[in-house]
Amino acid sequence: ELVLTQSPGTLSLSPGERAALSCRASQSVSRSYAAWFQQKPGQAPRLLIYGASNRAAGTPDRFSGSGSGTDFTLTISSLEPEDFAVYYCQHYAGSQWTFGQGTKVEIK
Amino acid sequence: QVQLVQSGAEVKTPGASVKLSCRASGYPFTDFYMHWVRQAPGQGPEWMGMLNPSGGTTHYAQRFQGRVTVTRDTSTSTIYMELTSLRSEDTAVYYCVRENHSSWASAYFFEDWGQGTQVTVSS
Repeated sequence: ELVLTQSPGTLSLSPGERAALSCRASQSVSRSYAAWFQQKPGQAPRLLIYGASNRAAGTPDRFSGSGSGTDFTLTISSLEPEDFAVYYCQHYAGSQWTFGQGTKVEIK
Repeated sequence: QVQLVQSGAEVKTPGASVKLSCRASGYPFTDFYMHWVRQAPGQGPEWMGMLNPSGGTTHYAQRFQGRVTVTRDTSTSTIYMELTSLRSEDTAVYYCVRENHSSWASAYFFEDWGQGTQVTVSS
């Protein structure tokens, strides 16, 4: 069973700072299914990144994704006020889709 | 534009069943896989299962096998998710999701989400 571990659990940063969010898989996974989502309170998750590094429609270019194998990263180059939210990674292996437990990016 | 409109909130007692619906519009219904994802309070999303609207084939998460059934009605572009033997731990927001794919990126992804349906299980 695939397990995704996101770190840190909470990231306290100021607007304008750079954020790096990690997602580690318990086994090697295909980049084809690697995705990142943003979720704000009371809303459905919103797709940000797919295929590990491709921005979804409407995703600002300050968001970038990278990684392969078991280690994937979401980077926000310069935090805007609307970026403070919870972020989830997602992968697929063994015919099962799995989400990480999330990283909360909060205002310092 | 793609729209996924889900049915309204449900309150159930332990042991009961619930059947949720999700009506799709704005795209060819049978061309894209559909998924159900749930999210318990304060938790991350959890994938439950998927359906191919074209042939009706399904695949479920191992932990829900035997308890969840996903079906569709192509005449109304609607998918359904029935969850049986409800317990308090099933209290969550349930989402239907449209999967898309990109040939050039060789990628598959959960692109469009319904608004969510709150299911509360309580005695």
